[in-house]
Amino acid sequence: AVRITQSPSSLSASAGDRVTITCRASQDIGTYLAWYQQKPGKAPKLLIYSASTLESGVPSRFSGSGSGTDFTLTITYLQSEDFATFFCQHYYNYPITFGGGTKVEIK
Amino acid sequence: QVQLVESGGGVVQPGRSLTLSCTASGFTFNNYGMHWVRQAPGKGLEWVAVIWYDGSNKYYGDSVKGRFTISRDNSKNTLYLQMNSLRAEDTAVYFCARDKRETTGYRSWFDPWGQGTLVTVSS
Repeated sequence: AVRITQSPSSLSASAGDRVTITCRASQDIGTYLAWYQQKPGKAPKLLIYSASTLESGVPSRFSGSGSGTDFTLTITYLQSEDFATFFCQHYYNYPITFGGGTKVEIK
Repeated sequence: QVQLVESGGGVVQPGRSLTLSCTASGFTFNNYGMHWVRQAPGKGLEWVAVIWYDGSNKYYGDSVKGRFTISRDNSKNTLYLQMNSLRAEDTAVYFCARDKRETTGYRSWFDPWGQGTLVTVSS
């Protein structure tokens, strides 16, 4: 199974900051990677798919990059509503696996 | 609008069975692969199972293989998860999620997700 290592597991940031979260796959997964945002008690929300394609309606301050084994989610100019937990997910093959999550907290 | 609503969660004793349902609306259900994903309290996301749009293929995560069965009734726009031999470590919120791409069950990201239903396995 493809293992996904996500880092950091948590971070503290202020509104207006630039935040970077990384995921590393244990094997080449091409660009079969998605990013989700989850707020407490809610379902995950799709942000980015195919490693870098922004889902419709998602603010442009979110961006994704990478291919192969190394991927990055960047949030430029962090907003108050962005404080949440973020997960990456590969969908290259089965079993699908998720990164462990990154909790973005207010500094 | 596109909506998924899970039901059937609750408290169940170890070793017993439970069936979850996910009712879909707002889209052509039989055009999409469907998944179950779970999240233990305070933990990350764990993919559980997938069923192809036409039911032709099913895959399971290693931790549930042989105990859980995914199925669908396209005439009722409903996805199911039959869970047998439940263990304490199966305690989680169970989400259903739809493939974003149509007429496949392969290499698609998930959107949307349901709101989840809590399963607690405890004596």
